[in-house]
Amino acid sequence: KAGVTQTPRYLIKTRGQQVTLSCSPISGHRSVSWYQQTPGQGLQFLFEYFSETQRNKGNFPGRFSGRQFSNSRSEMNVSTLELGDSALYLCASSLYDPTGYNSPLHFGNGTRLTVT
Amino acid sequence: GNSVTQMEGPVTLSEEAFLTINCTYTATGYPSLFWYVQYPGEGLQLLLKATKADDKGSNKGFEATYRKETTSFHLEKGSVQVSDSAVYFCASSGSARQLTFGSGTQLTVLP
Repeated sequence: KAGVTQTPRYLIKTRGQQVTLSCSPISGHRSVSWYQQTPGQGLQFLFEYFSETQRNKGNFPGRFSGRQFSNSRSEMNVSTLELGDSALYLCASSLYDPTGYNSPLHFGNGTRLTVT
Repeated sequence: GNSVTQMEGPVTLSEEAFLTINCTYTATGYPSLFWYVQYPGEGLQLLLKATKADDKGSNKGFEATYRKETTSFHLEKGSVQVSDSAVYFCASSGSARQLTFGSGTQLTVLP
């Protein structure tokens, strides 16, 4: 069974540009979550999608957005990039569990975004 | 809101040494608790989990017990190997359907 696939693995962008990251979940997983990992702030929740709808959102500015397609694939977009957006962006998929995370998250290897 | 406090690293051990990484949490209600491991250049892998008080999660020789009275979920392994070198993250979940992670503990095991 293929794992969570994130593309691209590496991105270099300039301040003010926008970027789109892609995530393909494990087959059969309909919930997709995104996390940002930085040395200073650690792992922080961005948002979660299920059934093409955003179900939960972390404390990030509106420049961070996402969407989910009918095949459960997800994209996240960051507009007007800032230097502080440099991070490893991790996507995770799981079976949807409305009670919480008893269904564990399966993470991809991430997209390393560098903003110059 | 939820928070997770994890033992500061880095931790350096010799092969076959005993490992403990401390983790405590604060939460409303009774979250599920997890340990994830991250190897260089990779995403996080679930190591073990516990969903209620007194549950013990175990995998690959690692164990952690959900202690409600001390709000802790310490990770232990009796005999570490070089291949266990990685960053370990403690995490909790709650009704908000998002994971709250600790800051991570870098473990290096020397041969």
